Amino acid sequence: GAGVSQSPSNKVTEKGKDVELRCDPISGHTALYWYRQSLGQGLEFLIYFQGNSAPDKSGLPSDRFSAERTGGSVSTLTIQRTQQEDSAVYLCASSLGRAQPWGYTFGSGTRLTVV
Amino acid sequence: DAKTTQPNSMESNEEEPVHLPCNHSTISGTDYIHWYRQLPSQGPEYVIHGLTSNVNNRMASLAIAEDRKSSTLILHRATLRDAAVYYCILRVSNQAGTALIFGKGTTLSVSS
Repeated sequence: GAGVSQSPSNKVTEKGKDVELRCDPISGHTALYWYRQSLGQGLEFLIYFQGNSAPDKSGLPSDRFSAERTGGSVSTLTIQRTQQEDSAVYLCASSLGRAQPWGYTFGSGTRLTVV
Repeated sequence: DAKTTQPNSMESNEEEPVHLPCNHSTISGTDYIHWYRQLPSQGPEYVIHGLTSNVNNRMASLAIAEDRKSSTLILHRATLRDAAVYYCILRVSNQAGTALIFGKGTTLSVSS
């Protein structure tokens, strides 16, 4: 597609349930990034995929968070046993390559609410 | 990445120029200066980037101080649609293995 697509756009889940958030990057973009943004806060880096290299997971806040990227394209961010503090907008971005930080294209995000 | 300092908020009137400052006194010779902005309820979008020389594109201009310790993003004629959070980010040119780290940015309000 023309842009980065994220689904669902909104997700309400009960505390303790698992959730999966999906990101479909721009075709041909080898780098994919996940960020989250809590209400009124800045963007917090979570994880970064580049081609077939091992992902940079340094931003994941706990072992309840994991992400995979299948076939170098679509990525899924999974949050297990969700907590109320996980409520945030989860943003995905892609770029042509890791050496092009000026080329990030972000999706519109998934707003996650844990009740 | 070196740290940047931006004002928390700024206000502007429609059709007036806006100068958004960014201080980066610890910048190194290989750091690029990037600007992104985030419109309400949207993901951030790339605005402009530069190394030493001033840069212009269809969205904005970037003025970089001679000593590179500060820079200014210039919106030549603000519109209501320019109301957003503007992020100034430094990125080492060869730091290809890391993602951009966003600070809190400057919240720009535009009045008609």
